[in-house]
Amino acid sequence: AQKVTQAQTEISVVEKEDVTLDCVYETRDTTYYLFWYKQPPSGELVFLIRRNSFDEQNEISGRYSWNFQKSTSSFNFTITASQVVDSAVYFCALSEATSGYSTLTFGKGTMLLVSP
Amino acid sequence: GAGVSQSPSNKVTEKGKDVELRCDPISGHTALYWYRQRLGQGLEFLIYFQGNSAPDKSGLPSDRFSAERTGESVSTLTIQRTQQEDSAVYLCASSLGEFTEAFFGQGTRLTVV
Repeated sequence: AQKVTQAQTEISVVEKEDVTLDCVYETRDTTYYLFWYKQPPSGELVFLIRRNSFDEQNEISGRYSWNFQKSTSSFNFTITASQVVDSAVYFCALSEATSGYSTLTFGKGTMLLVSP
Repeated sequence: GAGVSQSPSNKVTEKGKDVELRCDPISGHTALYWYRQRLGQGLEFLIYFQGNSAPDKSGLPSDRFSAERTGESVSTLTIQRTQQEDSAVYLCASSLGEFTEAFFGQGTRLTVV
């Protein structure tokens, strides 16, 4: 079984604040992939990052950074100096290699509201 | 366009009617996925195609749901005898292959009245 938990349903911040979105996953596989997607009000999911289970290096892309810790089964996402355009629902997702195909199991999402 | 295209963008139907939702994936993407997103919820996997084959249809919620893909391209999700609980946004995604990033369409918002 696989499961993705995003405990934060909604987060509100003021522009320029840093914010971290939490993601905890469960899997019995040793090989798996983790993803983050952004869903703006337009509805289309936008791919942000993919990380495989053997790569625990943190990644930074502009104002976005990701902290992958296998010891705690977490894959947290931090936005530095948040902007109003960051307002969206963010989904964490998991895919297991041994399932034979790459279906994604999504968390329920965290709605981020950034106010001016 | 270069992205995943879904049609219609919105569909209102009466309970008991059949509906067809269409997905045009990105050209060359062999993998295609259907997901359902109920209001305020995460995405629920429905079905996956590799080429024209669907290795696992266990995500389909009932036998009223079916999907097909032809020419390793267009896919159609059909819901027969729609029920109010079928109201949701149906999202299609495609990817080059397994474990590569999936690109999503904007979805079809289905409302069953």
